Parts: sequence; structure tokens; C-alpha cells
Amino acid sequence: GENVEQHPSTLSVQEGDSAVIKCTYSDSASNYFPWYKQELGKRPQLIIDIRSNVGEKKDQRIAVTLNKTAKHFSLHITETQPEDSAVYFCAASTVGGSQGNLIFGKGTKLSVKP
Amino acid sequence: NAGVTQTPKFQVLKTGQSMTLQCAQDMNHNSMYWYRQDPGMGLRLIYYSASEGTTDKGEVPNGYNVSRLNKREFSLRLESAAPSQTSVYFCASSAQGGSSDTQYFGPGTRLTVL
Repeated sequence: GENVEQHPSTLSVQEGDSAVIKCTYSDSASNYFPWYKQELGKRPQLIIDIRSNVGEKKDQRIAVTLNKTAKHFSLHITETQPEDSAVYFCAASTVGGSQGNLIFGKGTKLSVKP
Repeated sequence: NAGVTQTPKFQVLKTGQSMTLQCAQDMNHNSMYWYRQDPGMGLRLIYYSASEGTTDKGEVPNGYNVSRLNKREFSLRLESAAPSQTSVYFCASSAQGGSSDTQYFGPGTRLTVL
């Protein structure tokens, strides 16, 4: 089955710097890669996603890139702000019939220091 | 719209007790999911329901049962709770359950088994 590895597990940056989180996946048939942000004590919330027919997607300060050949995708946050501090999870969808189930990475705790 | 709701928010059980976690969504979604979240482990799928009337096992189904009561509601039951089931449980839903379908999460239930 699908396996998703996420690095680093913790990341500390200064406000205004960029942050990059990387994930690799094992199933070459996976075709959907969402990123979720989870603040302390809250639910995971989708911040950006990418589908396998696209190499890059951007939404204001966040962007995601996908390299299908290498089976990895990355989250890029520019001009980080203290409110970006949270745990970020990547995920990849398994492809089984018509049902897409997400396999999550173990998360990256991002701390943005003012 | 309330989105995805879960009850209770917190629960403490003794080993061997049973309980049911409730989940409801008002987005007219077809697919619903139950995850557990443990420190350093990310989110792991327990069970899912692709559509009303169907349920399937996820990655970690042992010790749990589910019921898709109707299109809106999907419950998770622990018949004989064990300390290893101490976790935060999240319910999620998606419109069609396809391989590139966005999942929306509920606020979570924090369960402690003594």
C-alpha cells in the first residue's frame, strides 16, 4: 500500500523567512496530494492541494510542487508569519476503485519566531 | 452550515467500558471517514463509508465498529475500550469519495482510556 514520508519533523524559522516541507510517496498511481494545517487543539484544515496533472500550484504565500518521476512533493511558505506556526501534514490519495483514501505523513511542527 | 460536527468533545473511559462517538455532516456529502491521531503518528484511517449503506476497513480497524446510520451520520463504537485506544478521533467527509476529493474534518473527540 501507499506510504508517505514527511521531513523534517520540526522546523523553526525567523519571521519573514521561507519554510519548505518535503514529502515522498511510494505508490506511483497516487494522483492527489493535499496539505493540511493543524493548529494546537484544532481540526486539520486544507490549505492547498495538487493533482498529478499539475507540477506546481500557488496561493498567495503558499505553493506546492510535485515531481511525479521522483515521487515527491513539497510545501513552500514564503514570508512566514507567527500565525503560520502549526503542524502541517501532507497526504497522498490511494487509488482503489472509486474510493480515494488519504495516507498522511507524520507531520511537521513549524515554529515561526517573531 | 455547521460542516462536520462530533460529540462528545472529551471522554474518559475505564478499560473494558464501551462508548459510541457520533459524527454528522450537513454538506450532503456521500463519503465519511474516521481517523485517529496519536502523537508523532499523523492521522490514520480507522474505517470509512464510501456511500450510505457501505462501510470498509481502513489502516487500523481492530477494536472498532462503525455504523453509517444515514447519509448525514457515521458513528464509531468501541465495544471494550483499551488504553491503546487513548487518542484524538477525527471524523471527516467528502463529496464523492473519489481519489481527488477534498476531505473536511470535524473538531475531534479526545478520548482517554484508563
